[in-house]
Amino acid sequence: AQKVTQAQTEISVVEKEDVTLDCVYETRDTTYYLFWYKQPPSGELVFLIRRNSFDEQNEISGRYSWNFQKSTSSFNFTITASQVVDSAVYFCALSENMRAGNNRKLIWGLGTSLAVNP
Amino acid sequence: DTGVSQDPRHKITKRGQNVTFRCDPISEHNRLYWYRQTLGQGPEFLTYFQNEAQLEKSRLLSDRFSAERPKGSFSTLEIQRTEQGDSAMYLCASSLMGALSEKLFFGSGTQLSVL
Repeated sequence: AQKVTQAQTEISVVEKEDVTLDCVYETRDTTYYLFWYKQPPSGELVFLIRRNSFDEQNEISGRYSWNFQKSTSSFNFTITASQVVDSAVYFCALSENMRAGNNRKLIWGLGTSLAVNP
Repeated sequence: DTGVSQDPRHKITKRGQNVTFRCDPISEHNRLYWYRQTLGQGPEFLTYFQNEAQLEKSRLLSDRFSAERPKGSFSTLEIQRTEQGDSAMYLCASSLMGALSEKLFFGSGTQLSVL
């Protein structure tokens, strides 16, 4: 079964600390995509990254970095030098093939609530 | 275009009433999705449109739920005979068909409270 597990329900850090959010997934598909979305208190989900299962290269975008390890089915997300504005719920998601329309739908983890305190 | 718009932001209704939500996607996006999210959970897929065609509907969606996208632009989600278990945030998202079709742009959601 397709499944995404975010074991950390809540994380609290002090500003400028580094923090890693864990994501472990299960899938039958040989080709799949992994995502991270951010949901700030305003409620709107914001796309952060999409990763193809064939591309295991780690990615860095400013203070954000992602570590994709296919061998352990993990796609972890690290925020370096965290800031108060990083406080949000972060969701990891896995694409699953739909029956129609050659499209995929997302299977979501339960999210990790990150609080960055000044 | 400022993104995906949803209306209303909040809706309070009594059990048994019908409610309708509207979603205006990003104008050039031909794919539109409805998700539902309850507190402490990730979004749960409800249904998906490609242009005006409703291509998939979650098995979790009861007959009381119906969605339309009549002209391939805005969409409405109607819940008939609401129940307390329908209380949730209803999220709309849109995307472009193609290689990045799963890059969803979400609206701010409609928070439904059924009393």
